[in-house]
Amino acid sequence: DIRMTQSPASLSASLGETVNIECLASEDIYSDLAWYQQKPGKSPQLLIYNANSLQNGVPSRFSGSGSGTQYSLKINSLQSEDVATYFCQQYNNYPLTFGSGTKLEIK
Amino acid sequence: QVKLLQSGAALVKPGASVKMSCKASGYTFTDYWVSWVKQSHGKSLEWIGEIYPNSGATNFNEKFKGKATLTVDKSTSTAYMELSRLTSEDSAIYYCTKEEEYNNYNDYWGQGVMVTVSS
Repeated sequence: DIRMTQSPASLSASLGETVNIECLASEDIYSDLAWYQQKPGKSPQLLIYNANSLQNGVPSRFSGSGSGTQYSLKINSLQSEDVATYFCQQYNNYPLTFGSGTKLEIK
Repeated sequence: QVKLLQSGAALVKPGASVKMSCKASGYTFTDYWVSWVKQSHGKSLEWIGEIYPNSGATNFNEKFKGKATLTVDKSTSTAYMELSRLTSEDSAIYYCTKEEEYNNYNDYWGQGVMVTVSS
């Protein structure tokens, strides 16, 4: 199975700041990487697919980058509504696997 | 608009089975894979498996083979997952998702079903 190592596990940042969340795959996943946002008590929502494509309706302050085994999610100008847990997921190989999540809080 | 409406929470006894539903609307149900994902105790996400409604073809995470059974009813655009021989380890929230047409990422999620296994 492809292991997805996500960091940091938790993150506290101020409003307006820029934050980065990293995801490291145990092997090359050829940009088959999605990012999801899960707000407390809600279902996950798709933010980014194919490593860097923004899902329709997602604010442009979210962006994704990376290739090979290393990927990142960047959130510019942090807003209060961005408080959530963020997960990466690889879909290059079965079984599909997720990172362990990054819990983002406002300082 | 795409919606996935899942059945309600379930409280089941150890050793029993539970079957949950996921009713799709707003898209052509038979054209897209439906995945099921487990989330234990607010932790991370585990992919259980997927089913293609048009043919009934399935793919499973080896970990859930023998535990989960996936079926669909095309006439009602509803996907089902049955979990058998339940233990406390099966207590979790279970989500159904719609996968994107050409890739296995999940572009829409149901609201989740909380399953509690307790005597």
